[in-house]
Amino acid sequence: GNSVTQMEGPVTLSEEAFLTINCTYTATGYPSLFWYVQYPGEGLQLLLKATKADDKGSNKGFEATYRKETTSFHLEKGSVQVSDSAVYFCALSDLGGSEKLVFGKGTKLTVNP
Amino acid sequence: NAGVTQTPKFRILKIGQSMTLQCTQDMNHNYMYWYRQDPGMGLKLIYYSVGAGITDKGEVPNGYNVSRSTTEDFPLRLELAAPSQTSVYFCASSPDRGGYEQYFGPGTRLTVT
Repeated sequence: GNSVTQMEGPVTLSEEAFLTINCTYTATGYPSLFWYVQYPGEGLQLLLKATKADDKGSNKGFEATYRKETTSFHLEKGSVQVSDSAVYFCALSDLGGSEKLVFGKGTKLTVNP
Repeated sequence: NAGVTQTPKFRILKIGQSMTLQCTQDMNHNYMYWYRQDPGMGLKLIYYSVGAGITDKGEVPNGYNVSRSTTEDFPLRLELAAPSQTSVYFCASSPDRGGYEQYFGPGTRLTVT
């Protein structure tokens, strides 16, 4: 079945550091790929997405590129801020008709001033 | 435009009790989902619906039931609550298939003791 594996956390960085959170997937066909972010005490919000190979999703300084050859969708940001502290989830959409999301386990990021 | 709303925010149940978690969306989305989030485990799909009158099981449906009588509402019923159902529950909706994002509610934190 479809699955998502993402980098184990927690990750602790200083402000303005470079961020990479690795995400790889297993799926039949060509699913859409997503990064969601969850701030403390809140629900999940879409951060960015890509719907086909070589697409780059970007938002709020975060980027991720859909790499079919390596089945990866790594999240990057060049300079993190304290306000980026949250849990980040990589996910793919099931192509069986339900469009349900299959999530990775999440990576907690803490950014210190 | 409230998006996806969930009630209650918090609830403590005794073993064997029953309750209904409410979910309403005002975006006229056809697709709706219930997930549970356990610490360090990401989100798991409980049930989903692709339109009013149509529901189907996800990965972890045991101990739960759903109904979808209207486009807006998708309640989740817990019968005979068990400690294993202690979790945070998220409702989500999506407008269509094909890589559209899911919109999440703020969650319900349930404790069964």
